[in-house]
Amino acid sequence: AQSVTQLGSHVSVSEGALVLLRCNYSSSVPPYLFWYVQYPNQGLQLLLKYTTGATLVKGINGFEAEFKKSETSFHLTKPSAHMSDAAEYFCAVRGGAPTGNQFYFGTGTSLTVIP
Amino acid sequence: GAVVSQHPSWVICKSGTSVKIECRSLDFQATTMFWYRQFPKQSLMLMATSNEGSKATYEQGVEKDKFLINHASLTLSTLTVTSAHPEDSSFYICSARDTIHEQYFGPGTRLTVT
Repeated sequence: AQSVTQLGSHVSVSEGALVLLRCNYSSSVPPYLFWYVQYPNQGLQLLLKYTTGATLVKGINGFEAEFKKSETSFHLTKPSAHMSDAAEYFCAVRGGAPTGNQFYFGTGTSLTVIP
Repeated sequence: GAVVSQHPSWVICKSGTSVKIECRSLDFQATTMFWYRQFPKQSLMLMATSNEGSKATYEQGVEKDKFLINHASLTLSTLTVTSAHPEDSSFYICSARDTIHEQYFGPGTRLTVT
């Protein structure tokens, strides 16, 4: 069974401050891990993903995430927040096997950037 | 990159009518497509898995007679909400899986039932 927990449904940061969005997962198989961003009334845009290899993954818009197996975490960070980063962020996990297609999404974290 | 489109992007319909939502993979073939539902301020919930040429697999609690899914070709899956009611109002998102098992999400369809 797989599941995702996002700690903090709302996060507020000042413009230029560090962004840290937390994600913990549980998976009975080696997981594929994803972060998506969703702007109002839009679909999901992939920020980054971890499949295998290097545990520090760099994505678009300056975001990165680190897979920590010992902590079962995949936290999303960005050194300096921009106003345009204000959105809903979803962490997701799916099984690494070809048949493990189903995504399990966290409940989302709404990021507010304060000018 | 691979692109998935949905049509319409938003639709308003009257209670009791049916509405069809299309999900297309524009530049790749998708043997499997997925339909999700998202309520305001909530996460995506998988409704069903659609396989080309076969019946869809529905998640527990999803009424298959209400949410009809057809995956007639490798690039098109449709979701028909039959006899829609206001509680069916939601944001519906599809995703499509390509031949190397990458999944791509569509932009979503906002359904409002009045």
